[in-house]
Amino acid sequence: RKEVEQDPGPFNVPEGATVAFNCTYSNSASQSFFWYRQDCRKEPKLLMSVYSSGNEDGRFTAQLNRASQYISLLIRDSKLSDSATYLCVVVAGGGNKLVFGAGTILRVKS
Amino acid sequence: GAVVSQHPSRVICKSGTSVKIECRSLDFQATTMFWYRQFPKQSLMLMATSNEGSKATYEQGVEKDKFLINHASLTLSTLTVTSAHPEDSSFYICSAQGGTNEKLFFGSGTQLSVL
Repeated sequence: RKEVEQDPGPFNVPEGATVAFNCTYSNSASQSFFWYRQDCRKEPKLLMSVYSSGNEDGRFTAQLNRASQYISLLIRDSKLSDSATYLCVVVAGGGNKLVFGAGTILRVKS
Repeated sequence: GAVVSQHPSRVICKSGTSVKIECRSLDFQATTMFWYRQFPKQSLMLMATSNEGSKATYEQGVEKDKFLINHASLTLSTLTVTSAHPEDSSFYICSAQGGTNEKLFFGSGTQLSVL
């Protein structure tokens, strides 16, 4: 089983749609969780950290469910510029090693 | 924000040659640098973790004699792909961290194509 699993997609949505991605992780000792965004053949860029209490940044909302070991990302009012691959990232307890999911492809179309 | 410079951004080489990729932290001291590899449509896979002044720690399945990592200063780490073969063609990317629990900054990546 992979340490971090994501639905690869692609998710094809119209502009203005709401879309949600889920991610599951296998290491129950994981302490830190992030969503990164990666455009084709470019470096990943931090989108947001994920907290148990849930956190929101503009159109983006992230949630963490430790009991079920999954993380979600909700994007509201999708823009064309949101088209990218979204990477779920988990840091194991006590360390600084990031484990990346394979990514979920989002394509927003006009 | 902090900047990590990685170059070259793209390299094409013949099979059997060695390729060096540099990763520099421009405005902070990177105590730890990470090297990743990403094949098309796959996730970033950690290859090794390097701490300044000590030997790199390689992930399982990564050949340390093939992927030489040097982290001689707090601002520079290099990855040398020795005797590159077509199967080494991939996107290599570094990241740098100022200290444990510090934010991670990524280089812009190097696309290696081995003919």
